[in-house]
Amino acid sequence: DVKVTQSSRYLVKRTGEKVFLECVQDMDHENMFWYRQDPGLGLRLIYFSYDVKMKEKGDIPEGYSVSREKKERFSLILESASTNQTSMYLCASSPSDRGQHAFFGQGTRLTVV
Amino acid sequence: SQQGEEDPQALSIQEGENATMNCSYKTSINNLQWYRQNSGRGLVHLILIRSNEREKHSGRLRVTLDTSKKSSSLLITASRAADTASYFCATAPGGGSYKLIFGSGTRLLVRP
Repeated sequence: DVKVTQSSRYLVKRTGEKVFLECVQDMDHENMFWYRQDPGLGLRLIYFSYDVKMKEKGDIPEGYSVSREKKERFSLILESASTNQTSMYLCASSPSDRGQHAFFGQGTRLTVV
Repeated sequence: SQQGEEDPQALSIQEGENATMNCSYKTSINNLQWYRQNSGRGLVHLILIRSNEREKHSGRLRVTLDTSKKSSSLLITASRAADTASYFCATAPGGGSYKLIFGSGTRLLVRP
């Protein structure tokens, strides 16, 4: 069974902390994505990666960075967490064939206090 | 910016009725995908339609695509209470981008 696994379902962090959200996929996919989901706003793309060490900004990259040192792992980093980064974060992966769909992790609900 | 916009934002129907959700997008696409999300969970892929296709079926799902109007619709026939979820369209833009851009979703409630 193919899987995208996010390291935590729920996280609570303090303002100013550096936060790491980890995502691992076991499907040997080239593409990986980080989205945040807020009520009424749908899914907004933060960053995506199409290969190891390659990344591109999405629509809302401010306040975030990413790391992809290995093909199976894509990390989202909040350099200095703020309360407006409280959200549901979703990781996804897809193969390089652009005719294929994405697979999603279960989501991480992050609360910054 | 959002590529896809779903309409309506929320839909409430009786079990057994059909549910229709619409999606509009702004730029050229390689394909359009529909996903389902149960409350508080990740998204699950339902169906993908390529830019050169006009209609596709999968079980009780029917998707249409009109590239001249930049719009798509998802029809769920004979709905069940278990279909209650949020539904999202996502577009894979044309050109060389690997982005997958989502809309704001439609919340479907199917009343038993």
